[in-house]
Amino acid sequence: KNEVEQSPQNLTAQEGEFITINCSYSVGISALHWLQQHPGGGIVSLFMLSSGKKKHGRLIATINIQEKHSSLHITASHPRDSAVYICAPASGTYKYIFGTGTRLKVLA
Amino acid sequence: ETGVTQTPRHLVMGMTNKKSLKCEQHLGHNAMYWYKQSAKKPLELMFVYSLEERVENNSVPSRFSPECPNSSHLFLHLHTLQPEDSALYLCASSLGGTTGELFFGEGSRLTVL
Repeated sequence: KNEVEQSPQNLTAQEGEFITINCSYSVGISALHWLQQHPGGGIVSLFMLSSGKKKHGRLIATINIQEKHSSLHITASHPRDSAVYICAPASGTYKYIFGTGTRLKVLA
Repeated sequence: ETGVTQTPRHLVMGMTNKKSLKCEQHLGHNAMYWYKQSAKKPLELMFVYSLEERVENNSVPSRFSPECPNSSHLFLHLHTLQPEDSALYLCASSLGGTTGELFFGEGSRLTVL
């Protein structure tokens, strides 16, 4: 079993839909990253959180440390949100465990 | 502009070549990382440098040789690579510690013929 599981692996949505991507992990962590990777390859950090909830524009991230689960929500999705979203718990100093990512495609 | 710059963006090399990847950050971070991303696989940590000292070497073959001359620059020297080393190589930096947010470069896509 992988230490980080993301679901779904692939997601196609219509523009305007509310999207949820889930991340479950099996190790103890101090914080968790949500990352976005566009087709060109570059990766952008969306959130780093260790408890509760964070919001940035149309993106919301939540984490439940006790349940070892985090979710990334996108409200009013747009084609430019099409990317791979990666969950990366921080399990120790310099140690991030990366999920395989959720490939999101938003259709106009 | 992410603050982390990688060059070259694309590299094609033969198995007998020697080449280097370069990473530069001007974010004032004290930790720098090399990650490898192969198709359909999660990012794999290769090396971590903190304050110019190597703190993590994740069982990487010796044909990959990192160098960190100062806290702003990180190199990955490549020699006698194999076709299976073809991948996207990503550099990242952070303030270090367990909650240091990672800032990534655009990546160097390597093809080994």
